[in-house]
Amino acid sequence: QMQLVESGGGLVKPGGSLRLSCAASGFTFSDYYMTWIRQAPGEGLEWVSYITSSGTTIYYRDSVKGRFIISRDNTKKSLYLQMNSLRAEDTAVYYCARFGGSGWSIDCWGQGTLVSVSS
Amino acid sequence: QSALTQPASVSGSPGQSITISCTGTSSDVGGYNYVSWYQQHPGKAPKLMIYEVSYRPSGVSDRFSASKSGNTASLTISGLQAEDEADYYCNSYTSSGTLVFGGGTKLTVL
Repeated sequence: QMQLVESGGGLVKPGGSLRLSCAASGFTFSDYYMTWIRQAPGEGLEWVSYITSSGTTIYYRDSVKGRFIISRDNTKKSLYLQMNSLRAEDTAVYYCARFGGSGWSIDCWGQGTLVSVSS
Repeated sequence: QSALTQPASVSGSPGQSITISCTGTSSDVGGYNYVSWYQQHPGKAPKLMIYEVSYRPSGVSDRFSASKSGNTASLTISGLQAEDEADYYCNSYTSSGTLVFGGGTKLTVL
């Protein structure tokens, strides 16, 4: 069955960098748009970024523009999020997720990886 | 990129029906039939419950239904069950090409 497994989370100091990875299996990764969504502790879901199936089109939320870079490697069935200049407010569980192809709905989620930004 | 507006909490007794609203603008909820709803139990990843305003994915109970009027979308859960107790989030595509979530609604089954 389709599965997404994130890795790369951890504790980082403000201003530091971290790279998240997401390994996909059980579906044809290159056919799908992919996205990162985060959830701060005790807070709601917040969309972060998405990338089209070929990687040619990318969008970010304003608060991470210029700091985060989403990318994918279809040969490795993997999605990435390079996070630079991290701030305390970036602390969250980061979910890798797949757009199912039906009206921008997200039909597959990873289990999430926790990123903590603290000195 | 303001979040869509949802009530912070709703509650109902087993067997009853509840409705959760999700209010946006003409640039998101009102402008596209791309509203989806997600259920999230504590410590778990969200689960898709509704897509394109009112369609249920395979495997989702028909006790879940949804609609949209103008800039407000709504999720209705009928025949409430204990297992429905969870957080619910709406989501919409926007005219900026981005996505926006609602703030979330905590459903308590009394």
